[in-house]
Amino acid sequence: SQQGEEDPQALSIQEGENATMNCSYKTSINNLQWYRQNSGRGLVHLILIRSNEREKHSGRLRVTLDTSKKSSSLLITASRAADTASYFCATADRSNDYKLSFGAGTTVTVRA
Amino acid sequence: SAVISQKPSRDICQRGTSLTIQCQVDSQVTMMFWYRQQPGQSLTLIATANQGSEATYESGFVIDKFPISRPNLTFSTLTVSNMSPEDSSIYLCSADVSYSEQFFGPGTRLTVL
Repeated sequence: SQQGEEDPQALSIQEGENATMNCSYKTSINNLQWYRQNSGRGLVHLILIRSNEREKHSGRLRVTLDTSKKSSSLLITASRAADTASYFCATADRSNDYKLSFGAGTTVTVRA
Repeated sequence: SAVISQKPSRDICQRGTSLTIQCQVDSQVTMMFWYRQQPGQSLTLIATANQGSEATYESGFVIDKFPISRPNLTFSTLTVSNMSPEDSSIYLCSADVSYSEQFFGPGTRLTVL
């Protein structure tokens, strides 16, 4: 079942700009993961942030987690045309046997 | 991490037929999962594929419609039975490599006519 909600639903930016998307969730979590999906293909695992972490970086990606607000953000810096994709957050919790609950996703379009 | 492959990558099937999708992981994993992604939607978990026991299905999914096999720690299959156009979706398998960190296969795009 979906517990995450992502904002915005769609985002269009110019190449070189930064893209920020947010994910909110309802229950307690063990970790939160971000995925990218290109053109309806498989999901690419981007980053996992645990509930006791506040920020993680991976290349041009920066993820924050605020468990008090039950929200996370994904920042893509210096965007490229290849970053055009849908981005999903997914939460895992021990009470749900660590099964992933996915958000609705944010569609990002990077214009050349 | 894990590298996951799926076969077929896409198929077009006739109503009333069945399709079996294969999922192969490059390492042994305890938990494998099957998801459905309907057009323009997010992912919905179908079931957890357990090695050595029957799959555990989520609400709204039943074994007769989506039988799953998990013969060993690197392989699983999902069959979509007695298909109808409403089954047209992308079907994805995933592997839990470490405490719910899941990696996904490339997906199978199914179209039912």
